[in-house]
Amino acid sequence: GEDVEQSLFLSVREGDSSVINCTYTDSSSTYLYWYKQEPGAGLQLLTYIFSNMDMKQDQRLTVLLNKKDKHLSLRIADTQTGDSAIYFCAETTVFGNEKLTFGTGTRLTIIP
Amino acid sequence: ETGVTQTPRHLVMGMTNKKSLKCEQHLGHNAMYWYKQSAKKPLELMFVYNFKEQTENNSVPSRFSPECPNSSHLFLHLHTLQPEDSALYLCASSQGTGAEAFFGQGTRLTVV
Repeated sequence: GEDVEQSLFLSVREGDSSVINCTYTDSSSTYLYWYKQEPGAGLQLLTYIFSNMDMKQDQRLTVLLNKKDKHLSLRIADTQTGDSAIYFCAETTVFGNEKLTFGTGTRLTIIP
Repeated sequence: ETGVTQTPRHLVMGMTNKKSLKCEQHLGHNAMYWYKQSAKKPLELMFVYNFKEQTENNSVPSRFSPECPNSSHLFLHLHTLQPEDSALYLCASSQGTGAEAFFGQGTRLTVV
């Protein structure tokens, strides 16, 4: 079955860039997502990328997709304390039904 | 506020109790989902409903019983749970076909 892997923790100094990495196994993944989960809250979609793209930028967020290596990354520029959260990578291969396969989530901690 | 509301936010129940989790969305979405989030594990998809019909049951034990009376409401009926069922249960909805999945804030369930 599909498998999505992420490291569990990342610590970054305020103002630096954060890079959160994700690898997946299913080569037929069509959409890849990054979700953010703040304490006590559900998941919020940050951004997504189609498998026929290799980069997407949205303000401070940059998503890079290396389809050959099945590697997805999320770069957050100028990391702020409000970026502290758990970031989930997810993928889906199924049209017409959002069956998402999630990673374990990476807890991003900002060091003042 | 994402448009997906879950109640209650927190629930403590004994192993012999029967309780229900409720999810409601008024986004006009056709698909609704239950996910289980346990610490340091990937989000686990439990059930998928599309147009009120259950389309996926990910080998979930029968002590979890979903109900989808209409496209806007989804319930998860719980009975004779085990302590290892303690987790955050997240509901989500989507329009499908690569569209964004909107998550509720989750119900933090503790089984004692």
